[in-house]
Amino acid sequence: QKEVEQNSGPLSVPEGAIASLNCTYSDRGSQSFFWYRQYSGKSPELIMSIYSNGDKEDGRFTAQLNKASQYVSLLIRDSQPSDSATYLCAVNRSGAGSYQLTFGKGTKLSVIP
Amino acid sequence: EPEVTQTPSHQVTQMGQEVILRCVPISNHLYFYWYRQILGQKVEFLVSFYNNEISEKSEIFDDQFSVERPDGSNFTLKIRSTKLEDSAMYFCASSDPGQPNEKLFFGSGTQLSVL
Repeated sequence: QKEVEQNSGPLSVPEGAIASLNCTYSDRGSQSFFWYRQYSGKSPELIMSIYSNGDKEDGRFTAQLNKASQYVSLLIRDSQPSDSATYLCAVNRSGAGSYQLTFGKGTKLSVIP
Repeated sequence: EPEVTQTPSHQVTQMGQEVILRCVPISNHLYFYWYRQILGQKVEFLVSFYNNEISEKSEIFDDQFSVERPDGSNFTLKIRSTKLEDSAMYFCASSDPGQPNEKLFFGSGTQLSVL
């Protein structure tokens, strides 16, 4: 059974702080890793993708991957109230082409003004 | 940015009835998908479709479910005899692995309520 585990939260951070979201996965064959943001009642929106060990930065977001520890994280710097949402970690066994994603339940982030 | 379009946004049906959820993937995308999300639960993969056939499916996608690409633009999910537990948000998605910065595009979803 392929599992993706996330702390459900809620995670509350003050505006301007760093939010740290974590995810572990069970399938060692996973090839690609994603962070999605989901507002209530809406579809998931891709924030970051990461494919190799290390850090990947995009604006205020940094994704970190450690395949040996089967661990993915997302850092959000200078958190804004508009970042308040549920953040979904997803992993894909396929390296390219098909997206048979396994999602975690998500971590609810609340950024307090 | 191009969009995946889903209709209807809400569908209410009686248990045992057949429903068809409709999607228009992004044109020239090659892979099409259905995911679902039961209220308060995680997003779950149902099926992927490539080159006019199912390429992968999950345990959820049993004989009650079917998919079809009836023409060059639409992609449908049919639930033959709905159960209460089929109530969920159903997301269609598409992707094109040949594109730079390729990613999975989700539609806005169809909320299915089975009464």
